Amino acid sequence: GQQLNQSPQSMFIQEGEDVSMNCTSSSIFNTWLWYKQDPGEGPVLLIALYKAGELTSNGRLTAQFGITRKDSFLNISASIPSDVGIYFCAGQLPNTNAGKSTFGDGTTLTVKP
Amino acid sequence: GAGVSQSPRYKVAKRGQDVALRCDPISGHVSLFWYQQALGQGPEFLTYFQNEAQLDKSGLPSDRFFAERPEGSVSTLKIQRTQQEDSAVYLCASSRDRAYEQYFGPGTRLTVT
Repeated sequence: GQQLNQSPQSMFIQEGEDVSMNCTSSSIFNTWLWYKQDPGEGPVLLIALYKAGELTSNGRLTAQFGITRKDSFLNISASIPSDVGIYFCAGQLPNTNAGKSTFGDGTTLTVKP
Repeated sequence: GAGVSQSPRYKVAKRGQDVALRCDPISGHVSLFWYQQALGQGPEFLTYFQNEAQLDKSGLPSDRFFAERPEGSVSTLKIQRTQQEDSAVYLCASSRDRAYEQYFGPGTRLTVT
């Protein structure tokens, strides 16, 4: 099936540092979504992007929908310990039912106090 | 209000057994999705319901997998004659309509021995 390449696979950072992760695909997506998943829980939606070039913030998180519609990035500023978790990007292809998402394999974030 | 709930949270099955996984979506949510998440990977789409209608089952890996939502609320994912490769976390998500903001349950971790 469709594949999203998410990088980096893991990150170890110091509390207070900024973080950047991205997602690329060979296919064009209509929607890009960023989720965070904690151990033993389901993913929680952080940011949804609907238009190429769109830049959206949610608190310390900022995400952008790439101009080519084949990529997206997520930035976290001034990281704190509770940012620890796995971050997934997900995209929705054109001509697919709303909500059917293709997920990347995640970026595992570790924040050292 | 209550979120999406799933039961059981953990299930151990011997190879060849049938299992049934339950999802209680958020009350009033029209759309319901099932995803399969293997260890270290992102969720993969299995099937989608709008009310009681199963509109997309393209992600079901084999005819051993069957999902239903007879009254447009609770959904059950059934796996017949389980195999070791079925071991994964099964996530359920619901949304108000064909909207992108999906609320995920905590998942059912299935281990087939």
